Amino acid sequence: AQSVAQPEDQVNVAEGNPLTVKCTYSVSGNPYLFWYVQYPNRGLQFLLKYITGDNLVKGSYGFEAEFNKSQTSFHLKKPSALVSDSALYFCAVSARKDSNYQLIWGAGTKLIIKP
Amino acid sequence: DTGVSQDPRHKITKRGQNVTFRCDPISEHNRLYWYRQTLGQGPEFLTYFQNEAQLEKSRLLSDRFSAERPKGSFSTLEIQRTEQGDSAMYLCASSLGTLETEAFFGQGTRLTVV
Repeated sequence: AQSVAQPEDQVNVAEGNPLTVKCTYSVSGNPYLFWYVQYPNRGLQFLLKYITGDNLVKGSYGFEAEFNKSQTSFHLKKPSALVSDSALYFCAVSARKDSNYQLIWGAGTKLIIKP
Repeated sequence: DTGVSQDPRHKITKRGQNVTFRCDPISEHNRLYWYRQTLGQGPEFLTYFQNEAQLEKSRLLSDRFSAERPKGSFSTLEIQRTEQGDSAMYLCASSLGTLETEAFFGQGTRLTVV
């Protein structure tokens, strides 16, 4: 079965330190990978995506993500965390299903940045 | 176009009542999704439309739930005979409908069934 895993329910990082939020996937065919962020009582906001090409993709708010095909991972990273980065982060993959496609979501990771 | 809009933002209803939510997608987007989200959890897929056609409906969606997208523009999600377990955030998203395009989400409608 096609799936997305975010192995950490919560990640705690001190402000100014680098952060990583992990995501692994299992899909057939070439994956199209996405990261979304959700602030309290808000809808999800698109951060970045990997379609093809350079394995390191850059997105909004200084975030970037590294696609690793051999490890089937797409970890979200930021060199220097801000308190305002505290939010829920979701990884998703777009994958073929029958003659169509579907979005498969991870369970989410709560990122807490401490001052 | 200011993005995906949902109405109402909040709805409190008594158990057993019917409720209807509306979603206006980004105008050029042909795909529209409905999701349900409970506190601290990821989006739970309910259904999606490609233009006016409802292509998939989650097995988790009981017969009390129905969604429409007449003319392939706005969509409505109706819940009949609401139960306390229906209390959640209902999210709508739209996209250009290809494998590699991202979805844009509305702010959601928070339903509380009392």
